[in-house]
Amino acid sequence: AQSVTQLDSQVPVFEEAPVELRCNYSSSVSVYLFWYVQYPNQGLQLLLKYLSGSTLVKGINGFEAEFNKSQTSFHLRKPSVHISDTAEYFCAVSDLSGNKLVFGAGTILRVKS
Amino acid sequence: EAGVAQSPRYKIIEKRQSVAFWCNPISGHATLYWYQQILGQGPKLLIQFQNNGVVDDSQLPKDRFSAERLKGVDSTLKIQPAKLEDSAVYLCASRTGTGMAYGYTFGSGTRLTVV
Repeated sequence: AQSVTQLDSQVPVFEEAPVELRCNYSSSVSVYLFWYVQYPNQGLQLLLKYLSGSTLVKGINGFEAEFNKSQTSFHLRKPSVHISDTAEYFCAVSDLSGNKLVFGAGTILRVKS
Repeated sequence: EAGVAQSPRYKIIEKRQSVAFWCNPISGHATLYWYQQILGQGPKLLIQFQNNGVVDDSQLPKDRFSAERLKGVDSTLKIQPAKLEDSAVYLCASRTGTGMAYGYTFGSGTRLTVV
């Protein structure tokens, strides 16, 4: 079974500052990793995913994440945030069948002007 | 491409009442999921359908929750009777098939409040 720990429940940051949202996972088998974003009263939207290959993954809206197998981490980063990035971000993991996504508890990113 | 449609968007009921949620997946998507998202937590899988068959319902509280997907298209999730702890957003998601070549598309969810 897989599990995900998002280390910060809320991250406040000023506009145009860099941000890192932390995610650690646990699994006894190889996994795929994902970051989703949820804006208020909306569904989950895929930001990026790691399936294989380069450990640095680039996604939409200028976000990127780095897969670190030895540290079992998949932290999300953005070099300069905008007010519109204010949302809740979920890290998720699945086994290689992809049939079941297991989500972390989420991190609320609050971008302040 | 139309998204995953869910209704109603919001529902308030008293405990011990019954409630049903409806999901219309993207046309042609064979795999359908229901997730429960309690405030402050990540979504948790309740049930997975492949066409009209159940693939995984291991985390569905079967004493009060039921789900069906007639004809392999629309799906209904029912709670009977509801408890206070069922207050959550219920998300529906669909995929063309299984395997990671197929991404998930999520609906906007139904927010249930049990009072």
